[in-house]
Amino acid sequence: AQSVTQLGSHVSVSEGALVLLRCNYSSSVPPYLFWYVQYPNQGLQLLLKYTTGATLVKGINGFEAEFKKSETSFHLTKPSAHMSDAAEYFCAVSEFTSGTYKYIFGTGTRLKVLA
Amino acid sequence: EAGVAQSPRYKIIEKRQSVAFWCNPISGHATLYWYQQILGQGPKLLIQFQNNGVVDDSQLPKDRFSAERLKGVDSTLKIQPAKLEDSAVYLCASSLMAGAANYGYTFGSGTRLTVV
Repeated sequence: AQSVTQLGSHVSVSEGALVLLRCNYSSSVPPYLFWYVQYPNQGLQLLLKYTTGATLVKGINGFEAEFKKSETSFHLTKPSAHMSDAAEYFCAVSEFTSGTYKYIFGTGTRLKVLA
Repeated sequence: EAGVAQSPRYKIIEKRQSVAFWCNPISGHATLYWYQQILGQGPKLLIQFQNNGVVDDSQLPKDRFSAERLKGVDSTLKIQPAKLEDSAVYLCASSLMAGAANYGYTFGSGTRLTVV
């Protein structure tokens, strides 16, 4: 079974600083990878996804992630943090089992942005 | 388009009581999912429907949890009787098809359940 590891349950950055949220996966086949964001008391919102093709994926709100097969990583970055980026971020891998796809989520990283 | 609607937003019950959650997916989305998100953990799939049929319920505690999607549209998730460890946010999501690689999920805002 596939798994997802997010390093750091809490990350703090200053406003304007680089945001780096780490995600590593285990998969025996080329994976489909996703980042979701969850604002307080809301559901999860898709930030970006990697399926095939270009390994650098751009998403909403200025976020991007790079698929590195050799490192089995899919880290999320943003050049300059905004206060509005404070939220919880989940990395997920799509697994095909029992004739259907389903997500395996990481445990999440809570991002705090300091003024 | 309207999003995934869930109700209630919050629920507090005593252990051994029963509770039900409701979800109305995006119109036309054939696939519906219920996830359980315990504090400090990532969402865990409980059950997946394709139209009104169950595709995957391997992680649903069937001795106390049940779910239905009778007309292939809205769905209810029930817990009876509830335990303290059922305290979590229950998220409903829908997608056009079951192929997650090409279709992202749309999540509702969730129902926060507290069992005391």
